[in-house]
Amino acid sequence: GEDVEQSLFLSVREGDSSVINCTYTDSSSTYLYWYKQEPGAGLQLLTYIFSNMDMKQDQRLTVLLNKKDKHLSLRIADTQTGDSAIYFCAEMAGGYQKVTFGIGTKLQVIP
Amino acid sequence: GAVVSQHPSWVICKSGTSVKIECRSLDFQATTMFWYRQFPKQSLMLMATSNEGSKATYEQGVEKDKFLINHASLTLSTLTVTSAHPEDSSFYICSAPTNQNTEAFFGQGTRLTVV
Repeated sequence: GEDVEQSLFLSVREGDSSVINCTYTDSSSTYLYWYKQEPGAGLQLLTYIFSNMDMKQDQRLTVLLNKKDKHLSLRIADTQTGDSAIYFCAEMAGGYQKVTFGIGTKLQVIP
Repeated sequence: GAVVSQHPSWVICKSGTSVKIECRSLDFQATTMFWYRQFPKQSLMLMATSNEGSKATYEQGVEKDKFLINHASLTLSTLTVTSAHPEDSSFYICSAPTNQNTEAFFGQGTRLTVV
């Protein structure tokens, strides 16, 4: 079955870059996502990458995908205090529409 | 972009009562919608797949008689938590994929507190 793993916690200083890592097991994954959840709020889609891509950049966000190692990362440049949240890695397997989430990485930005 | 609206955002109910949560796709049709539950400090777990015009598909361990799902139209799915207990208190969130299957849009979530 599908399994998505990510570290629980990351602390960075304001202005530094943050890198959140994720590994997944389903080789049939078609899309991989990064969602942001602020305290008490729902999910906000940050970005997604198709499985045949290696990299996607969107302003301060850079997603890297190593399909061979089933490793996904999210880099946030110039991290701000407003970036403090829980970041979920997720995958959508080929042929299906349901999304499997990682446990979420809590990003703490220190002023 | 596509929008999924979930209502209510939060609800408090007494033990033993039932609570209905609605999930609507506002500008697209969704033959399939998904219901997730998030326990405190945990990830989102898929509860069931809601299929328009047919029975929902429940994940292992989810009580179908307790969590009633109805997908009455191409834009509306409802989750009813029946005979709610305090342990049902959680954050429930729905999602609907677009027809292109490139993205699953999520509702705002419903925080249920059973007292």
